[in-house]
Amino acid sequence: NAGVTQTPKFQVLKTGQSMTLQCAQDMNHEYMSWYRQDPGMGLRLIHYSVGAGITDQGEVPNGYNVSRSTTEDFPLRLLSAAPSQTSVYFCASMRGLSTDTQYFGPGTRLTVL
Amino acid sequence: GESVGLHLPTLSVQEGDNSIINCAYSNSASDYFIWYKQESGKGPQFIIDIRSNMDKRQGQRVTVLLNKTVKHLSLQIAATQPGDSAVYFCAENNNQGGKLIFGQGTELSVKP
Repeated sequence: NAGVTQTPKFQVLKTGQSMTLQCAQDMNHEYMSWYRQDPGMGLRLIHYSVGAGITDQGEVPNGYNVSRSTTEDFPLRLLSAAPSQTSVYFCASMRGLSTDTQYFGPGTRLTVL
Repeated sequence: GESVGLHLPTLSVQEGDNSIINCAYSNSASDYFIWYKQESGKGPQFIIDIRSNMDKRQGQRVTVLLNKTVKHLSLQIAATQPGDSAVYFCAENNNQGGKLIFGQGTELSVKP
């Protein structure tokens, strides 16, 4: 298994541009989530999905959209990039909902100028 | 509000010594706790977990202790090695749809 994969690894955007961060997992996990990590801080939950067709907001959802059309894929869309969205983004997946481990992808480093 | 925090932002130890990284949590309803290791430029990597019905769990060179009375979690690394140098995060799963709440992180530096 490849586990959780993310593309691209690095991205530079100008303010106002839009883009989609890709995330895929091949473990048939129902639960997927997106986090952002800022310097010196832990990870903060942006959006999550408990299964195909179901998404919900996390702690910091503003400026981001998600969709979950398949179990495998969970893309994160930035509608109009802002410098405050400069961060490292991690996608994660988990088999169950409660006492289970989340597996993280390698991250996407995004810079918004 | 809910929070999971770490007492020390940095920890420097000598190779071969034992390391102890501490974490405090505030949500007494949380029933599952996880320690992650994050190396530079990589995603968090699972180390060890513990459920709230346990107070200790051991892995290979690592031990997690849970004290629910004072809402405290610790990670002990035995015979710390240079490869253990990383940022360590504690996280709690409070059973709200699988959301994880992360602490700030502790950077462990191992001196040869």
